[in-house]
Amino acid sequence: AQSVTQLGSHVSVSEGALVLLRCNYSSSVPPYLFWYVQYPNQGLQLLLKYTTGATLVKGINGFEAEFKKSETSFHLTKPSAHMSDAAEYFCAVSDQGTGGFKTIFGAGTRLFVKA
Amino acid sequence: SQTIHQWPATLVQPVGSPLSLECTVEGTSNPNLYWYRQAAGRGLQLLFYSVGIGQISSEVPQNLSASRPQDRQFILSSKKLLLSDSGFYLCAWAGQLGMNTEAFFGQGTRLTVV
Repeated sequence: AQSVTQLGSHVSVSEGALVLLRCNYSSSVPPYLFWYVQYPNQGLQLLLKYTTGATLVKGINGFEAEFKKSETSFHLTKPSAHMSDAAEYFCAVSDQGTGGFKTIFGAGTRLFVKA
Repeated sequence: SQTIHQWPATLVQPVGSPLSLECTVEGTSNPNLYWYRQAAGRGLQLLFYSVGIGQISSEVPQNLSASRPQDRQFILSSKKLLLSDSGFYLCAWAGQLGMNTEAFFGQGTRLTVV
């Protein structure tokens, strides 16, 4: 079964600073990887996804992530944090279950942005 | 376009009472449907998923059950709620295209068992 591990349950950055949220995966097959964002008391929204092809994936709101097979990582970055980026971020991987495919999420990283 | 509706948004229920949360999807057919639970600081736990009417896969043994009586309707139920059932419940759908398809989430239901 696939799994993802997010390093750091909380990350705090200053406005304008680099955002780096870490995600490592374990997968026995080429993975399909996702980053989602969740604002308070809302559902999740897709930021970006890696399926095949280019390993640097660009998403919404200036975020991007790089798939590194040798490191089994899919870290999320943004060059300059904005106050509106404060939210919880989830890394996820697709997995094939006995009843169909499903998305497995990491524990999440809450991003705080300081003025 | 596709939309997903989940209700109610908040719910306070006493221990031992029944539960029924409903989720419906519009604008697509034969979706994969999912119920997740989000407890404070514990990420999203997949509870149930369904690839078709009447087909339910359970991820973890628990006090909850799920049903899919119609193609675009997914219901989460309990006969007797426990305090530990409190949490934020999220319904999601994904297309049948394959594992590279992202999930689309409802707005969630905040359940507090008292």
